[in-house]
Amino acid sequence: DIQMTQSPSSLSAFVGDRVTITCRASQSIDRYLNWYQQKPGEAPKLLIYAASNLQNGVSSRFSGRGSRTDFILTISSLQPEDSATYYCQQSHSSLGYTFGQGTKLEIK
Amino acid sequence: QITLKESGPTLVKPTQTLTLTCTFSGFSLTTNGVGVGWIRQPPGKALEWLALIYWDDDKRYSPSLKSRVTITKDTSKNQVALTVTNMYPVDTATYYCAHWVRASSAGDYFFDLWGRGTLVTVSS
Repeated sequence: DIQMTQSPSSLSAFVGDRVTITCRASQSIDRYLNWYQQKPGEAPKLLIYAASNLQNGVSSRFSGRGSRTDFILTISSLQPEDSATYYCQQSHSSLGYTFGQGTKLEIK
Repeated sequence: QITLKESGPTLVKPTQTLTLTCTFSGFSLTTNGVGVGWIRQPPGKALEWLALIYWDDDKRYSPSLKSRVTITKDTSKNQVALTVTNMYPVDTATYYCAHWVRASSAGDYFFDLWGRGTLVTVSS
């Protein structure tokens, strides 16, 4: 099955900062990569699908790019409500629609 | 408006079988391109994809849990069930069901809507 590795595992940034989170697949997944945001006690929320497509209703401060094995989620101008854990997920291989291990984002 | 809700036991004993039901509304599991998946999350840990069933009854399972997990659907009741055999304390987690859909015929699937999850504890 395909392994998804996120980095960093956690980070801390200030309001207004630009933040990037990386997700790496153990083999090529084309552009079949999704990003989710999860706040404590809540279900995950879809942010980005197919590497770079912003889900309806999601702030344009979120953007995604990448292909094959390397993907990046960028949050521009960080806001207090962005404090959450972020997960990538590959939807390429029906052998397992694997999630990454998560990146916990703290706002200083 | 699409909604999903998980239901089932909150406590199971070791070695028992867990059966959870996802009851959904706002979509049909007979529609081409639609699926429902199950994902779990142990307390304080990451999301783990477990299983998925498509509109055409195609089923996919996590390789690491394939021998213990079964997913089925009842389209007349708008329900999807997940069975996990031989439960152990490490299986303690919040179990989510979610709506799996594609943006185009290219197969770019994603979970766009989730249930609130149900916490299942495995303990004697």
